[in-house]
Amino acid sequence: QSVLTQPPSVSGTPGQRVTISCSGSSSNIGSNYVYWYQHLPGTAPKLLVYRNDQRPSGVPERFSGSKSGTSASLAVTGLRSEDAADYYCASWDDSLYAVVFGGGARLTVL
Amino acid sequence: QLVESGGGLVQPGGSLRLSCEASGIPFSDAWMIWVRLAPGKGLEWVGRIKSKADGETVDYTAPVKGRFIISRDDSKNTVFLQMNSLKTEDTAVYYCSTPSSSWREGFDYGMDVWGHGTTVAVSS
Repeated sequence: QSVLTQPPSVSGTPGQRVTISCSGSSSNIGSNYVYWYQHLPGTAPKLLVYRNDQRPSGVPERFSGSKSGTSASLAVTGLRSEDAADYYCASWDDSLYAVVFGGGARLTVL
Repeated sequence: QLVESGGGLVQPGGSLRLSCEASGIPFSDAWMIWVRLAPGKGLEWVGRIKSKADGETVDYTAPVKGRFIISRDDSKNTVFLQMNSLKTEDTAVYYCSTPSSSWREGFDYGMDVWGHGTTVAVSS
């Protein structure tokens, strides 16, 4: 059972917009930054969003993060086949004194 | 820029030491983090060691406290993960990572530099 809650799967067709939710609590998302990672099997995870809504250089504008209260979401617009991957949210937890991850959401591009 | 090594097959109750050698980053200023991905499960933060300048403080996730030890050797640009009393649930790919913000202005836990991981299998 992960500290942060994500849907196990989301799907969309090419060109669509999809969102992935991430629910936490006051000790993590509610008081700390949210991060989003993309992971393809056999590769290293990739940071997509940091500090709730900031994109590292090289990450397409199609990926955007937002946060409200104890929840966050990642939006992917103009869905492409190469976006099919596992997406994880993460945040520092003041009670556990550790970074906590969501269980991961598998994005399928139909 | 980060290369892990040391993974392998070990019996329950055994020990293993993973290494992660860094290049191209100011290693002595970097906060180094271990993350694992178990089969069929999600990413899990294993622990973090701060830079020497920040006290080399180490923190661990609860399931590994008392069994795993993170250390660093700045002269070798290497961080270690000593894993003792291994359990089958420790089976995972172990990644080494670091947030580049740890050597820049304005720290946050966005881990943007990663190794490709090393596989640990705990089985009898």
